[in-house]
Amino acid sequence: KAGVTQTPRYLIKTRGQQVTLSCSPISGHRSVSWYQQTPGQGLQFLFEYFSETQRNKGNFPGRFSGRQFSNSRSEMNVSTLELGDSALYLCASSLVGARGRNYGYTFGSGTRLTVV
Amino acid sequence: AQTVTQSQPEMSVQEAETVTLSCTYDTSESDYYLFWYKQPPSRQMILVIRQEAYKQQNATENRFSVNFQKAAKSFSLKISDSQLGDAAMYFCAYRSTGLSGGGADGLTFGKGTHLIIQP
Repeated sequence: KAGVTQTPRYLIKTRGQQVTLSCSPISGHRSVSWYQQTPGQGLQFLFEYFSETQRNKGNFPGRFSGRQFSNSRSEMNVSTLELGDSALYLCASSLVGARGRNYGYTFGSGTRLTVV
Repeated sequence: AQTVTQSQPEMSVQEAETVTLSCTYDTSESDYYLFWYKQPPSRQMILVIRQEAYKQQNATENRFSVNFQKAAKSFSLKISDSQLGDAAMYFCAYRSTGLSGGGADGLTFGKGTHLIIQP
């Protein structure tokens, strides 16, 4: 069974540019969430999608956005990049059962974004 | 908002011995999930163990077990017979079920504990 696939693995961008990161969940997983990991702030929740709808969003500026497609694949976009956006971006998919019970998140290997 | 606290930034244990990693959390909800994740240098987050708050029984996965104290809001991880491959950052995480109407804001993570295994 294929795991969660994130592309690209590494990315270097210049301040002011925009970037799109991709995440393909495990087959059958309809919930996808995104996290930012930095040495200073640790792991922070960005947003969560289920069946193409954003269910929740963390405390990040509007420059951070995402979407989910009908095949459950998800993308996140960061516009007008700042130096502080340099981080490891992790995507996780989960199987959601009856009454929304969550059976645990499986993470991808992440995209390392460096803004220069 | 929920918070998760891991008070041990770093722990060291001899190979084959037992180590316990601490985690406390703060929430006003009664139904939620707790997780321990492992992140080795390869940076892939790996689910170690999962606990549902409504279950009294502590979760166990092979050499990994938890001590879940709901009233004390404590969720410690015990690793028995430590192996070199257990060396990693360990993160404790909380997630609301969202069933109480307050929504479920993804996973809330602690700052992590760096576990060193001494050969």
